Amino acid sequence: DGGITQSPKYLFRKEGQNVTLSCEQNLNHDAMYWYRQDPGQGLRLIYYSQIVNDFQKGDIAEGYSVSREKKESFPLTVTSAQKNPTAFYLCASSIVPSGVTDTQYFGPGTRLTVL
Amino acid sequence: AQSVAQPEDQVNVAEGNPLTVKCTYSVSGNPYLFWYVQYPNRGLQFLLKYITGDNLVKGSYGFEAEFNKSQTSFHLKKPSALVSDSALYFCAVRDMIKSDKLIFGTGTRLQVFP
Repeated sequence: DGGITQSPKYLFRKEGQNVTLSCEQNLNHDAMYWYRQDPGQGLRLIYYSQIVNDFQKGDIAEGYSVSREKKESFPLTVTSAQKNPTAFYLCASSIVPSGVTDTQYFGPGTRLTVL
Repeated sequence: AQSVAQPEDQVNVAEGNPLTVKCTYSVSGNPYLFWYVQYPNRGLQFLLKYITGDNLVKGSYGFEAEFNKSQTSFHLKKPSALVSDSALYFCAVRDMIKSDKLIFGTGTRLQVFP
């Protein structure tokens, strides 16, 4: 899991509530990513950011929001608009934005359960 | 469309036997391919990647992968499986249109029996 931390490890939310997942990295990586993992579906990209104060939607951005105010931090907010938020959320980072050969390194994940 | 396929949901192998986890891909141009492993309730750990050069790539924990351009495959292999290798394995390919992205397969669960 390297120098990427995610908190909390487990998170419970009531329907209709927004919740924010933390992701911090001390690897000095420029690019950061958020993925959602569901059983049997692999990983799907939610949002990614190549530089501070800039981010792009991934494949399943609806119902989520992000910010990138600092290079080391990329928090993800799961809003009440996300219809099925229960999942395992993974944050990743890589050294060079748009580096096709660049490896993405992952944090330990946050398991979100909506009650 | 660019894609990655892992045709086996689960692979079972006895400890000490060789293992293979299969991956095929479909991308335009030269592929950049990755293997990751995930242990229960953990993040993904990078195992190895193919960028260019030798078709046989060696990675962490004794794993290796063979790139086969004609068969568009990138199978993960290990000569002698360990019980501790039991985990979920993901193959991924770089999206050559939106190069920031990785396209992941659906994962293959490897179970190594003592």
